[in-house]
Amino acid sequence: GAVVSQHPSWVICKSGTSVKIECRSLDFQATTMFWYRQFPKQSLMLMATSNEGSKATYEQGVEKDKFLINHASLTLSTLTVTSAHPEDSSFYICSASGQGLLAKNIQYFGAGTRLSVL
Amino acid sequence: AQTVTQSQPEMSVQEAETVTLSCTYDTSESDYYLFWYKQPPSRQMILVIRQEAYKQQNATENRFSVNFQKAAKSFSLKISDSQLGDAAMYFCAYRSPNTGNQFYFGTGTSLTVIP
Repeated sequence: GAVVSQHPSWVICKSGTSVKIECRSLDFQATTMFWYRQFPKQSLMLMATSNEGSKATYEQGVEKDKFLINHASLTLSTLTVTSAHPEDSSFYICSASGQGLLAKNIQYFGAGTRLSVL
Repeated sequence: AQTVTQSQPEMSVQEAETVTLSCTYDTSESDYYLFWYKQPPSRQMILVIRQEAYKQQNATENRFSVNFQKAAKSFSLKISDSQLGDAAMYFCAYRSPNTGNQFYFGTGTSLTVIP
């Protein structure tokens, strides 16, 4: 299947700082990327959907100014958690879907990023 | 929004035995996709199997097969000859062709494989 790379896998930061998480599709063009948040032993909660070259569409209740999403190319999307606070500590997962038989109609997931805010 | 229900928070199975995980969904659409994803302790989401709603034949992938009942809006996953590596959270997901490839996930079923 298609490969999605997500970095970093784990990041610890101080309260008030910003953290950037990268999501790359390695072998296909990701026309759409998704960002999820997952709390322990719970399902994935969709935060936002981003289409290449367009502004992200955020789900209700997700702060646009806190979770900045950029999808500037067909292989890269970034999520920046601005002015992080301990309540932002969570597991963040990206996924991608795109063109071609390989990735059409399917979401391929990154390995996730564990964010710990001290 | 579509609703996906997994009524079994936890399941267990003896190694080499068969287990079935349940999933139901609510939709008024006739054309859609259904998926089962596996999330092991590493937390990497892995696609297990998928089914297109327009196909009557149930999808199979080696030891994994589905029982797709479109009228009943049911999409169960059968794991045959269970292995220790099958232990994971399993999420059922629904994709609508009308929402830009957005997935709707169930709450998950935690599968334990007993040696």
